[in-house]
Amino acid sequence: KNEVEQSPQNLTAQEGEFITINCSYSVGISALHWLQQHPGGGIVSLFMLSSGKKKHGRLIATINIQEKHSSLHITASHPRDSAVYICAVRLGSNYQLIWGAGTKLIIKP
Amino acid sequence: EAGVAQSPRYKIIEKRQSVAFWCNPISGHATLYWYQQILGQGPKLLIQFQNNGVVDDSQLPKDRFSAERLKGVDSTLKIQPAKLEDSAVYLCASSLIDYGNTIYFGEGSWLTVV
Repeated sequence: KNEVEQSPQNLTAQEGEFITINCSYSVGISALHWLQQHPGGGIVSLFMLSSGKKKHGRLIATINIQEKHSSLHITASHPRDSAVYICAVRLGSNYQLIWGAGTKLIIKP
Repeated sequence: EAGVAQSPRYKIIEKRQSVAFWCNPISGHATLYWYQQILGQGPKLLIQFQNNGVVDDSQLPKDRFSAERLKGVDSTLKIQPAKLEDSAVYLCASSLIDYGNTIYFGEGSWLTVV
């Protein structure tokens, strides 16, 4: 079993829909990252969370440390949001990031 | 603010040849990471530098891969000799200190070994 599980693996939605991508992890962490990777492009860091909730534009990320769960929400989704969204966790003082498999999001116009 | 710069963007080499990738992190970022991302998989950390010292290179195949970060600024990742399974995107990233800060990624260097 992977230490970081993302769901869904693939998500196709219509423009304007509210999107939720989930990330569950099985170990104690010190931080969780949400990242975005466009096809053929580099990785962009969206959020780094250790508790609570963060918002940036149409993106919202939440984390529940007790339940070992985080969600990434996209409001008023747009075709340019189409990308792979990756959840990665840092274990304590270990420098390694444990990566989820990613969620491939396609927003249709 | 200039981002993480990587070169070359694309490289095709034959197996057993050598290749080198260069990375210039964001100015002032002490920590530099090299990741390998094979198509369809998540990135795998190859090596992490703190200034010019190695913090973690446990997943670096040291028989063929080497990396250095002289003067604690830009870094070079070398593969010699390359194998077919080395075909991947090599991502460089940097952060102010370590994973406690936001990580900034370069666009990656795409390697195809034929």
